[in-house]
Amino acid sequence: SYDLTQPPSVSVSPGQTASITCSGDRLGGKSVSWYQQKPGQSPILVIYEDTKRPSGIPERFSGSNSENTATLTVSGTQAMDEADFYCQAWDSGTVVFGGGTKLTVL
Amino acid sequence: HLQLQESGPGLAQPSETLSLTCTVSGDSINSGHYYWGWIRQSPGKGLEWIGTISYSGSTYYNPSLSSRISISVDTSENPFSLRLSSVTAADTAVYYCAINTVLVKYYFDSWGQGTLVTVSS
Repeated sequence: SYDLTQPPSVSVSPGQTASITCSGDRLGGKSVSWYQQKPGQSPILVIYEDTKRPSGIPERFSGSNSENTATLTVSGTQAMDEADFYCQAWDSGTVVFGGGTKLTVL
Repeated sequence: HLQLQESGPGLAQPSETLSLTCTVSGDSINSGHYYWGWIRQSPGKGLEWIGTISYSGSTYYNPSLSSRISISVDTSENPFSLRLSSVTAADTAVYYCAINTVLVKYYFDSWGQGTLVTVSS
């Protein structure tokens, strides 16, 4: 089975840039999506197809994907961005989620 | 604005078959032409994909669950259903339905609010 590895937690100061990584074998050759989930809420899509933002998602959210690592970057992080973030890829007919990263805005 | 709504029993008995449905409202264009997925989240844990079905009926299942799950969709009525057999306490989770509205199976752009299913006698 295909695995995606995320750091359990990332901390950032308000206004700074947070980077959340997602690692997988030859991940750069796959389409990666990112979801944000706040406590008690369902996930929402914040990045799809590596770099694209759905309508309504702030520009401070951006994504990249190369070789074995995809990265979600939150620029000018705000308190409202504190949440769990999950990467997701499609591999051999299956959807795979990373274990999730808790973003803490200190 | 699309809304997805999951429906389920809330409480299931061990060894029973769990049945969940999902309906989509607010879409007058695609009329059910989506990729539909079920995802679950055990208490305090991450997201686990269960399976995906296309509007044409092609199915994709999590290999770890494939022997116990059946996913179907009726595009005319638009309920999207999940059946999970032989449930145990390990199947206790919030179950989400999610769709992709642009006919791409690689991600989900709309999610339901989730329904909590507790497996207990």
